[in-house]
Amino acid sequence: DTGVSQDPRHKITKRGQNVTFRCDPISEHNRLYWYRQTLGQGPEFLTYFQNEAQLEKSRLLSDRFSAERPKGSFSTLEIQRTEQGDSAMYLCASSSPRTTENTIYFGEGSWLTVV
Amino acid sequence: EDQVTQSPEALRLQEGESSSLNCSYTVSGLRGLFWYRQDPGKGPEFLFTLYSAGEEKEKERLKATLTKKESFLHITAPKPEDSATYLCAVQGGNTPLVFGKGTRLSVIA
Repeated sequence: DTGVSQDPRHKITKRGQNVTFRCDPISEHNRLYWYRQTLGQGPEFLTYFQNEAQLEKSRLLSDRFSAERPKGSFSTLEIQRTEQGDSAMYLCASSSPRTTENTIYFGEGSWLTVV
Repeated sequence: EDQVTQSPEALRLQEGESSSLNCSYTVSGLRGLFWYRQDPGKGPEFLFTLYSAGEEKEKERLKATLTKKESFLHITAPKPEDSATYLCAVQGGNTPLVFGKGTRLSVIA
């Protein structure tokens, strides 16, 4: 089991540019989550997929944010027209389809700095 | 709305000085209470899941306990390598995990 993989680990971008993050979940995990974390805070939920279906989106996810999970495998999170307030760590996580095992495992995160 | 409050915000211990971290929660239909460890600049690392009041789990120097309103993470004889932020999260019904702000633990040799 290789764990949740995220790419890139760090991204510095100018305000107004678009950025995209990729997440590869643990194999056979059908649920995939995106969270955002700022310094001194716990992770905040952004959105959730079960297979390829996006089942829930937080009100934190503005229209500039879009997430996809084609074919129910990897996922991408795109932020359009970045703002300085988007600077944060973006965490991807996945969990098993087994109902007796709902532990969510996180990747190492993708740091975004908007300058 | 599910809520998690962790205390203290920060804790400084001498090596070998045992202590406990608190996680108070409100949730509709608890499916699980989770403890994670997070090192600076890294993602949360899973430690424990507790499902019902009275349950306890242990791993090395850590022991997690659960009541109907709170969970404790007990750290016995901590070492400097236990220094990290410890995050508590709850999952209710079919909702996603809701996290607290964490407790920053520093263990001084």
